[in-house]
Parts: sequence; C-alpha cells; structure tokens
Amino acid sequence: EDKVVQSPLSLVVHEGDTVTLNCSYEVTNFRSLLWYKQEKKAPTFLFMLTSSGIEKKSGRLSSILDKKELFSILNITATQTGDSAIYLCAVEVWGSQGNLIFGKGTKLSVKP
Amino acid sequence: NAGVTQTPKFQVLKTGQSMTLQCAQDMNHNSMYWYRQDPGMGLRLIYYSASEGTTDKGEVPNGYNVSRLNKREFSLRLESAAPSQTSVYFCASRRDNGNTIYFGEGSWLTVV
Repeated sequence: EDKVVQSPLSLVVHEGDTVTLNCSYEVTNFRSLLWYKQEKKAPTFLFMLTSSGIEKKSGRLSSILDKKELFSILNITATQTGDSAIYLCAVEVWGSQGNLIFGKGTKLSVKP
Repeated sequence: NAGVTQTPKFQVLKTGQSMTLQCAQDMNHNSMYWYRQDPGMGLRLIYYSASEGTTDKGEVPNGYNVSRLNKREFSLRLESAAPSQTSVYFCASRRDNGNTIYFGEGSWLTVV
C-alpha cells in the first residue's frame, strides 16, 4: 500500500529559529513529491520535486528530494509567526491520473 | 480570479439527511477531485474525475456519490449523512500534466 509519512506531527519554535520538516514515502511508480502550506483554509502550493539532489528554493523556504532514500525535507530559515501553518507533503504516482497521496501533515507553531 | 469555488462553506446536517456539495472551476481543467480532511488524518481522496463524464473512486468513497456535470462542475452528494462524515471537504482541480492541484476554500460539514 502506498504511504507518505511526515515527521514530526507538530513542532513549536521561536521566531528566528530554523526548522526542518521531514517526509518519507513508500510508493510504486513515483512521479513527483509536492509540498503545500495550509493556514486556515485551502492548501497552497509550495514546491514540486521530481529529481534527486536538486534544491528548490523560495525565499526562506527550500526543499530537496532524495529518491534513493525515499524522502524529502522542507527547510524554513529565520522563521516568522506567519510561517505558522500545517505543512503537507504529497506524492503523485504514475498512472494515478494526478491523484495525490497525502501525509498527515506537520503542524508548525512559531512563537514571537 | 475565482479558481475553484465550492459551496456551502458551512453546513450542519442531522443524521440521515442528504445534501450536495457543489464545486466549480473556471480554469478549464480536465481533472477534478474531492478530498476530506480530518484531524490527524491528512487529506484523503474520496472521488476524482479525470475528464467530463468519468468518475472514479478514491481512498474513502463509501457513503458518497459524485457527478461530473460538465467540465466546470463536480458535485459530491451525501445520500444519508452519518456523524462519521463530519469533516472538512475540499474540492480541487488540475490541468493535464500540471504541476499542482488547486484547492477550493473548503466546506465545513457537521453531522449531528
């Protein structure tokens, strides 16, 4: 059975800290891995990763994929209170017609 | 920019009542999805539609039916609501070979 596991499930840090969120997966016919940020409502897209070792970066957020070890990390540097959210990892497999398998998410709380 | 629009945003139902969640997208996407999100469970796929006129079951289809009325609209029906269907429901869409899924704002459903 395909599965995506995120850790930790929740995390509390202070502003300015750097955090690393983890996502491991066991799927057949991996196509891509996606990261989403969910605040109060709909998840919003952060990154899509398809190739190992290539870092995707957007401001203070960055992510990398290791297809050999079957995991990805999402780094957030110099955290701000606005980074507080649930971060979702999802995997797409070939032949799934675009369906995503989601992990349970990591709830990040950034304290002032 | 409307994107994915779903209604209603909030609904309280009594056990056994029926209702339909409506979803429409204005991005001319072929693929549409219905997910539910429960605390600690992440997002789970209920049904999806790869194109107008086709629908397929996802991970948790029991108790639900769907209709892909046209390319824009994809509705989710609860024929006889149960308390276990209390959840947040997200509609989403994606263009063929697109990088990401676009989510609606969510519908909070409580069954008492």
